[in-house]
Amino acid sequence: AQKITQTQPGMFVQEKEAVTLDCTYDTSDQSYGLFWYKQPSSGEMIFLIYQGSYDEQNATEGRYSLNFQKARKSANLVISASQLGDSAMYFCAMRETFNDYKLSFGAGTTVTVRA
Amino acid sequence: EAEVAQSPRYKITEKSQAVAFWCDPISGHATLYWYRQILGQGPELLVQFQDESVVDDSQLPKDRFSAERLKGVDSTLKIQPAELGDSAMYLCASSLHGNVYNEQFFGPGTRLTVL
Repeated sequence: AQKITQTQPGMFVQEKEAVTLDCTYDTSDQSYGLFWYKQPSSGEMIFLIYQGSYDEQNATEGRYSLNFQKARKSANLVISASQLGDSAMYFCAMRETFNDYKLSFGAGTTVTVRA
Repeated sequence: EAEVAQSPRYKITEKSQAVAFWCDPISGHATLYWYRQILGQGPELLVQFQDESVVDDSQLPKDRFSAERLKGVDSTLKIQPAELGDSAMYLCASSLHGNVYNEQFFGPGTRLTVL
């Protein structure tokens, strides 16, 4: 079974607008971590934001915020005030204690920011 | 800023040839990971090292792939012989240790094309 599901293969967003990228996860572990990474066309994976399963507040990092809904097992990424440089592939990932902390990635969402 | 180094960035080879990729993690990072990312998909873990020891190589096709981290610092991933299906991005990542709350830092990747 898929551990991480990203249902949006691609999205278009207007510059300066906000965009929400969906991510749902599947785990029976109580202690886990959720990550979002950005992958530009150049290929490197850039860490954006982290949410621990015991964190009560949603994580924020600059223009990135993570909408963590534990009961729904969702960890959506919100990018505010989109910039042209935000055009990239975005991956949601999870690390579980039961899985020896291995990182499981979703299939990714391509974001294209339009001027 | 410390970075994960990988070389080469691009590699084109013919099937049945041998190829090797090199990774130098961030100094002090005990855990090193090799991932394979097929175009349009999320990265998949091939092998995980803790210092010089292999922690997980369950997804490594051991008939043709090998990985080593002899002194617990830099690492080499080898494919021999390469097959057409090996065309992918090979990403190296490192983290302080395998604890769930440490993010992984990724290198720029090696894009392999097998002809």
